[in-house]
Amino acid sequence: SYELTQPPSVSVSPGQTATIPCSADALPKQYAYWYQQKPGQAPVLVIYKDSERPSGIPERFSGSSSGTTVTLTISGVQAEDEAEYYCQSADSSGTYWVFGGGTKVTVL
Amino acid sequence: EVQLVESGGGLVQPGGSLRLSCAASGFTLSTYAMSWVRQAPGKGLGWVSTISGSGGSTFYADSVKGRFTISRDNFRNTLYLQMNSLRAEDTAVYYCAKGPYDITGYQRGFDYWGQGTLVTVSS
Repeated sequence: SYELTQPPSVSVSPGQTATIPCSADALPKQYAYWYQQKPGQAPVLVIYKDSERPSGIPERFSGSSSGTTVTLTISGVQAEDEAEYYCQSADSSGTYWVFGGGTKVTVL
Repeated sequence: EVQLVESGGGLVQPGGSLRLSCAASGFTLSTYAMSWVRQAPGKGLGWVSTISGSGGSTFYADSVKGRFTISRDNFRNTLYLQMNSLRAEDTAVYYCAKGPYDITGYQRGFDYWGQGTLVTVSS
């Protein structure tokens, strides 16, 4: 089955940069998306189509893609960025959507 | 302002059925595909099902195919998920999400989410 792989956790000091990789075989064909979820809340889209940022999302959130890996970067991390982050894409058919297992970002 | 409000969750016995609803407002429902995504307690997100804007195309995760049915009523601005033959592993918060594509095929991800409704399958 199609899977997206993320590290389970990332720790970062305030003001530093957090990078979260996400890898899968089909990524070169399908776009990737990133969601932020805080405890008890619904997910929020923070990056779409690999690197686009929805309106209202701070500029410190950025996305990039290289080969079979996409990466979410949070520059100048703030305490409010502590959350679970999920990557999401689709398999090669484009009609079977999948989420990564999630990465817990801890701000030290 | 886009709003998605789910309802219909609750406690159901294994093998039972439940119908979830999602009331949409703030956008033209028929111009967007709509989806259900679930999250088991303490676990990650899992895609469940997607329906095209017209309702003519439906897609399901392998884990629910043949048991769940997604549908929509664009006149009533409502999305549905009929869940039959429920299992303990279906226990989760079910989110209604706008997307992942619009009527032109433009991929925008799941750009708006409801607050979710809890489904508990237990005897």
